[in-house]
Amino acid sequence: DTGVSQNPRHKITKRGQNVTFRCDPISEHNRLYWYRQTLGQGPEFLTYFQNEAQLEKSRLLSDRFSAERPKGSFSTLEIQRTEQGDSAMYLCASSLRELAGEDTQYFGPGTRLTVL
Amino acid sequence: AQTVTQSQPEMSVQEAETVTLSCTYDTSENNYYLFWYKQPPSRQMILVIRQEAYKQQNATENRFSVNFQKAAKSFSLKISDSQLGDTAMYFCAFMKHLGYGNKLVFGAGTILRVKS
Repeated sequence: DTGVSQNPRHKITKRGQNVTFRCDPISEHNRLYWYRQTLGQGPEFLTYFQNEAQLEKSRLLSDRFSAERPKGSFSTLEIQRTEQGDSAMYLCASSLRELAGEDTQYFGPGTRLTVL
Repeated sequence: AQTVTQSQPEMSVQEAETVTLSCTYDTSENNYYLFWYKQPPSRQMILVIRQEAYKQQNATENRFSVNFQKAAKSFSLKISDSQLGDTAMYFCAFMKHLGYGNKLVFGAGTILRVKS
């Protein structure tokens, strides 16, 4: 059973450019989450999918951010017109919601974004 | 709003000794889950241990155990027989229920350094 994978692992871009990150969850996990982590801080929730439906979005997710999970498997997070304040580690997590389960989230290695 | 507080920014411990990391949280929910995650330097977040609030028994995973005090809203992590590989940032997290799912609310983290 492979873990959560994320690509790319590192991305350096110039301010104003668009970037897209990909997350592949653990197979058969029906829930997928995106978090953002700045240096020395804990992750902050961005958005959540159950299957292909995006059910929750944080106020941190400005209109420059968009996330999709088109077939309920992998997900993409796009940032348009990047700003220096977008520089952070973007973490993806997945979980399998069972009827009596605890819905534990398992994290990927993250994509580190640097906006110059 | 749920908040998670980790009051110790940094801790050090000698190899083979025991260390306790503190965490307090605030919630009005009665049934919830708490987690400790470990994030080694430049490596991905790993689940260490989880606790279900309705279980009075403290969770244990090998050298890791928790002291869960529900009334005090305290959830500390004890690491016994510390090893060099335990050096990492440790995050306490509370699982907040959303309408159709959950999200994790993290503390700011505690850097643990195990010294030889």
